[in-house]
Amino acid sequence: ETGVTQSPTHLIKTRGQQVTLRCSSQSGHNTVSWYQQALGQGPQFIFQYYREEENGRGNFPPRFSGLQFPNYSSELNVNALELDDSALYLCASSSQGWGNYGYTFGSGTRLTVV
Amino acid sequence: DAKTTQPTSMDCAEGRAANLPCNHSTISGNEYVYWYRQIHSQGPQYIIHGLKNNETNEMASLIITEDRKSSTLILPHATLRDTAVYYCIVRVAKNSGGSNYKLTFGKGTLLTVNP
Repeated sequence: ETGVTQSPTHLIKTRGQQVTLRCSSQSGHNTVSWYQQALGQGPQFIFQYYREEENGRGNFPPRFSGLQFPNYSSELNVNALELDDSALYLCASSSQGWGNYGYTFGSGTRLTVV
Repeated sequence: DAKTTQPTSMDCAEGRAANLPCNHSTISGNEYVYWYRQIHSQGPQYIIHGLKNNETNEMASLIITEDRKSSTLILPHATLRDTAVYYCIVRVAKNSGGSNYKLTFGKGTLLTVNP
């Protein structure tokens, strides 16, 4: 059984650019969530995808968008990058919207915006 | 989801039990207590969850008070590899739609296990 894998592990972008982060969910999981973790803070919920549709969103602007594919993998897209977008972006998967054992997280993508 | 309060940091000697407290005085009847931990530079890792009965698994034990307003995560024999930020989260167990699908993380407790 493979866990959640995210790519790339590290990324440096310039302010104003766009970025796409990728996530492969754990085998058997059909729901993917994305979290943003600023330095020294707990992860903050961005949104969740189930059956290829967004079914929940946190307090993030529309320039944060996502996709889920038929194989349950997912992408997080951020447009018009700002310096404050620098953070660790975590992907988490679960089954049926909420597994009995919660979410399985990936190791994240460290995004630096300069 | 109910809010939780945890100490900012704790120390523990290697081989001793680590007891991490969490207050959740506004917990609802259908909310579970979940514990995750995050080792430096990794994603959060599920540890254990419970409703009102004490729970134990291969990683830890969870003690929930009778009034469910607080709980304690116990690592029975802490090792250096248990050094991490521990998050206590309360929420409903199953996604019944609406806004109960997310995990609401606080800042957690930084547990440092010392040799």
